[in-house]
Amino acid sequence: LAKTTQPISMDSYEGQEVNITCSHNNIATNDYITWYQQFPSQGPRFIIQGYKTKVTNEVASLFIPADRKSSTLSLPRVSLSDTAVYYCLVGGVSGGYNKLIFGAGTRLAVHP
Amino acid sequence: NAGVTQTPKFRILKIGQSMTLQCTQDMNHNYMYWYRQDPGMGLKLIYYSVGAGITDKGEVPNGYNVSRSTTEDFPLRLELAAPSQTSVYFCASILRGGNDEKLFFGSGTQLSVL
Repeated sequence: LAKTTQPISMDSYEGQEVNITCSHNNIATNDYITWYQQFPSQGPRFIIQGYKTKVTNEVASLFIPADRKSSTLSLPRVSLSDTAVYYCLVGGVSGGYNKLIFGAGTRLAVHP
Repeated sequence: NAGVTQTPKFRILKIGQSMTLQCTQDMNHNYMYWYRQDPGMGLKLIYYSVGAGITDKGEVPNGYNVSRSTTEDFPLRLELAAPSQTSVYFCASILRGGNDEKLFFGSGTQLSVL
């Protein structure tokens, strides 16, 4: 199982770019990297997923270096509504391990 | 689609009581998961299922049981409730085997054992 390590918390201000890095040194060949966002009293929701290089969607970018031992979630121009806990999840696709185990997550606080 | 539906949303149990948390999904997902989340903490995997009739333990299975008789339903059973089981419980499902695999979560069940 690929264990993930993230910073426990981060602080930012509205309008800034936030980068959250996740370390996953023993990632397997079949593993994808997926990031989830969780607001208080809600279940996590999918943000972005990638396998290598860079992935961008309407809310975030995901940067994955060639060795895939880490990944960085980038949130452009954050607002107060981006205050949440962000989880990095490493899991296999079609043949990888079945247990999807979350790490402790990163608690992001966005200030005015 | 309703997605993943959990019932009840809130429940208070007395020590020693039992109950079943219901989870159903209408997305024809093959894999389903149960997580618990204690206040201020991350998600802990309780049990998971890779298909009807197949279940397996996660990180913290003690005190819980599951069954998966249909693709849609994945109930979680608490026997002899204890205060340590006070938590928020989330059910999730995912379609494994496609190109885009992502977990869909229910809205959670907040359980207090007093």
